Amino acid sequence: AQSVSQHNHHVILSEAASLELGCNYSYGGTVNLFWYVQYPGQHLQLLLKYFSGDPLVKGIKGFEAEFIKSKFSFNLRKPSVQWSDTAEYFCAVNAGNNDMRFGAGTRLTVKP
Amino acid sequence: DGGITQSPKYLFRKEGQNVTLSCEQNLNHDAMYWYRQDPGQGLRLIYYSQIVNDFQKGDIAEGYSVSREKKESFPLTVTSAQKNPTAFYLCASSVMADMAGRTHEQYFGPGTRLTVT
Repeated sequence: AQSVSQHNHHVILSEAASLELGCNYSYGGTVNLFWYVQYPGQHLQLLLKYFSGDPLVKGIKGFEAEFIKSKFSFNLRKPSVQWSDTAEYFCAVNAGNNDMRFGAGTRLTVKP
Repeated sequence: DGGITQSPKYLFRKEGQNVTLSCEQNLNHDAMYWYRQDPGQGLRLIYYSQIVNDFQKGDIAEGYSVSREKKESFPLTVTSAQKNPTAFYLCASSVMADMAGRTHEQYFGPGTRLTVT
């Protein structure tokens, strides 16, 4: 079955640490890829997206993600996290047929 | 101020009662979606609609029903047949999918937390 896997359920970092959240998917064809973030008490909002072109995508708030087609991966990175990055992060993949699939989410806690 | 509104924010119902969750958007989006969010399971698609008067089942449609009489509105009814209705429900909208059915980014509402006892 088609699926999206986020390997880390809960990540705890200190401020200024580097972040990498894993996302793998099982679709074989062309995909649109997304990372969404849900800050405490706020709407789910888009961090960044990849449709085509440069596989290194830059998003808001200093986040970036790299699409590696051969690994079916779309990992999210940030060189130096801040306390305000504490949130839940969701990877999503759309392979067509209006089928947007979300991962289970990774909760990030940044300690000040 | 464009966006998606969901009401109410919190909803409490007794077991056996149907309940309808509201979702309205003023983004002029053609497509609308309902998701259910449970801890550790991410978002699961309940129903989606690409145009008025048409909607499709998602992965977990059993026990739910929807209507799409207006472009702006996509209400979700949680029926008494839904075995485990207590959850956080999210509504989203997007522009129409491309020819291959690949959607662009979805815009989400604030959610409704439903508790059934």
